[in-house]
Amino acid sequence: DIVMTQSPDSLAVSLGERATINCKSSQSVLYSSNNKNYLAWYQQKPAQPPKLLIYWASTRESGVPDRFSGSGSGADFTLTISSLQAEDVAVYYCQQYYSTPLTFGQGTKLEI
Amino acid sequence: EVQLVESGGGLVQPGGSLRLSCAASGFTFSSYWMHWVRQAPGKGLVWVSRVNTDGSSTVYADSVKGRFTISRDNAKNTLFLQMNSLRAEDTAVYYCARSGLQGNWFDPWGQGTLVTVSS
Repeated sequence: DIVMTQSPDSLAVSLGERATINCKSSQSVLYSSNNKNYLAWYQQKPAQPPKLLIYWASTRESGVPDRFSGSGSGADFTLTISSLQAEDVAVYYCQQYYSTPLTFGQGTKLEI
Repeated sequence: EVQLVESGGGLVQPGGSLRLSCAASGFTFSSYWMHWVRQAPGKGLVWVSRVNTDGSSTVYADSVKGRFTISRDNAKNTLFLQMNSLRAEDTAVYYCARSGLQGNWFDPWGQGTLVTVSS
């Protein structure tokens, strides 16, 4: 199984500042035949289901604000929120879809 | 509007059974792989199972293999999860989620249904 490890577990950032969340996989999730990283990011607000933010490690889902960006390749990835807004308070998860079982990171709680 | 609505959760005793349903609307259900993902109270997300478009191929997490069965009825736009031999550690909110067309990301998710296994 591919183990996904996020850091930090929690993060406090001031409004308007940058937030950075890291995700490391226990093996590469880069598929060499198409040069795509099989990595997604989700946002989960309290009492809500998760919401897809990014897939293919850096492709923003339609409707997601452009302050959210994903980067990285292979086994090291980053979710960046360029200018934190109050509505961004949530838990963020990375997920690999390179192989089954599909696995998530443990989550990073983002607070103001 | 794409929508997924789960039902069937509740309180069940250890060793009991429960069948979850997920009604899909707003998209061509038969064209998408579908998944179940669960979240224990206060914990993270755990993938449970996946079914392909016609139901002929299924995959399970080791923790539920042999106890849970995923299936679908494309005529009724409905996904199912039959859960047998339930354990306390199966207590969680169960979400159904649609797979991406090109990869197994999850979008959208239903609101979830709570399953509590307790005597």
